[in-house]
Amino acid sequence: KAGVTQTPRYLIKTRGQQVTLSCSPISGHRSVSWYQQTPGQGLQFLFEYFSETQRNKGNFPGRFSGRQFSNSRSEMNVSTLELGDSALYLCASSELGQAGDEQYFGPGTRLTVT
Amino acid sequence: GNSVTQMEGPVTLSEEAFLTINCTYTATGYPSLFWYVQYPGEGLQLLLKATKADDKGSNKGFEATYRKETTSFHLEKGSVQVSDSAVYFCALMDTGRRALTFGSGTRLQVQP
Repeated sequence: KAGVTQTPRYLIKTRGQQVTLSCSPISGHRSVSWYQQTPGQGLQFLFEYFSETQRNKGNFPGRFSGRQFSNSRSEMNVSTLELGDSALYLCASSELGQAGDEQYFGPGTRLTVT
Repeated sequence: GNSVTQMEGPVTLSEEAFLTINCTYTATGYPSLFWYVQYPGEGLQLLLKATKADDKGSNKGFEATYRKETTSFHLEKGSVQVSDSAVYFCALMDTGRRALTFGSGTRLQVQP
């Protein structure tokens, strides 16, 4: 099976702009989660989707949003970008998103805000 | 809330040395525990997991045992290789939240 894919791999945006990142999960996986990785804060959970519904959300401002489509593909959007949003954004998929399920990560999208 | 504490790195070892990376956690209930590895420029790869007390996860020579009494999940490998050089993350997921809580990561450098 193909792994988790994320597009684009690299992005450079300017403060105030918005950005959309895309994630395609492993075939058959219905749960998609997003994480932000920065040198200062480490890996932090953004949100999790299952069957097009957001089931769980981390402690991020409303500028961060996401959605999931009927084919389980997911997008996340960040509006009004700030310098602090520069990070590696990782998407992970699992079959059902249950506690013991293995989450498989994509290669990430490296976002740089200037 | 949940938290994971890992030993600070970098950990520098010679090839074929024994590896231990300490990990302790705080969580309500009975979380599942994971070790992930991240190579430069890549995402996270699942290394091993354990879902209940006394379970031992193992993969590629790495092992970790879920110790509920000490709330620990230390990663071990008997003989490291240069190719094991990477950052290792300990993580937990509790039954209610369905979100991974990660430690800060431990960088391992293996010298030939």
